[in-house]
Amino acid sequence: QQQVKQSPQSLIVQKGGISIINCAYENTAFDYFPWYQQFPGKGPALLIAIRPDVSEKKEGRFTISFNKSAKQFSLHIMDSQPGDSATYFCAARSASDKLIFGTGTRLQVFP
Amino acid sequence: NAGVMQNPRHLVRRRGQEARLRCSPMKGHSHVYWYRQLPEEGLKFMVYLQKENIIDESGMPKERFSAEFPKEGPSILRIQQVVRGDSAAYFCASSLPGGAEAFFGQGTRLTVV
Repeated sequence: QQQVKQSPQSLIVQKGGISIINCAYENTAFDYFPWYQQFPGKGPALLIAIRPDVSEKKEGRFTISFNKSAKQFSLHIMDSQPGDSATYFCAARSASDKLIFGTGTRLQVFP
Repeated sequence: NAGVMQNPRHLVRRRGQEARLRCSPMKGHSHVYWYRQLPEEGLKFMVYLQKENIIDESGMPKERFSAEFPKEGPSILRIQQVVRGDSAAYFCASSLPGGAEAFFGQGTRLTVV
């Protein structure tokens, strides 16, 4: 119940394309769903986040879509760029305030 | 406003030695989280602390690992009698009281030889 399942494990996208990463959870007590971006040798950086009372949130080229009934949420990266190549983690915050992370998606954007 | 500061960035220890990892949270943040990341893997929750209190240590190995967050000074993750399997990147994150956003440090990469 404390797991967050993330897919795909890796993703290859051409420059200008749309990158889509999906996550699913079981625990309905999760109340906050952030996405983190991590470059090699660096710490995860908060990218965008959503609460379950909102179905979509957009910040620049990044959009979170949230489906509360299906207990799924996804990250869409529009007009993907080589500089977006990184590992992306979804997460969910539990009632005890700890963040539970997905297993990560390694995105490679080719020119 | 400096971000979350972790030191050292790299730490090499021989088997059986102790490793001490430090984390200074962002200014005003009183919640600290420690995560472990193995190569090519995700972030595994270890422990959640508030000042002078351990809130959730469900991800901490039962032996050799301990964490503290004193009233003054940084949070410390301590690993006694390190083994090769402890080699990993250890990340600290901090947040405001009741805050949803958690910000991560650059991590400490521990290598046990």
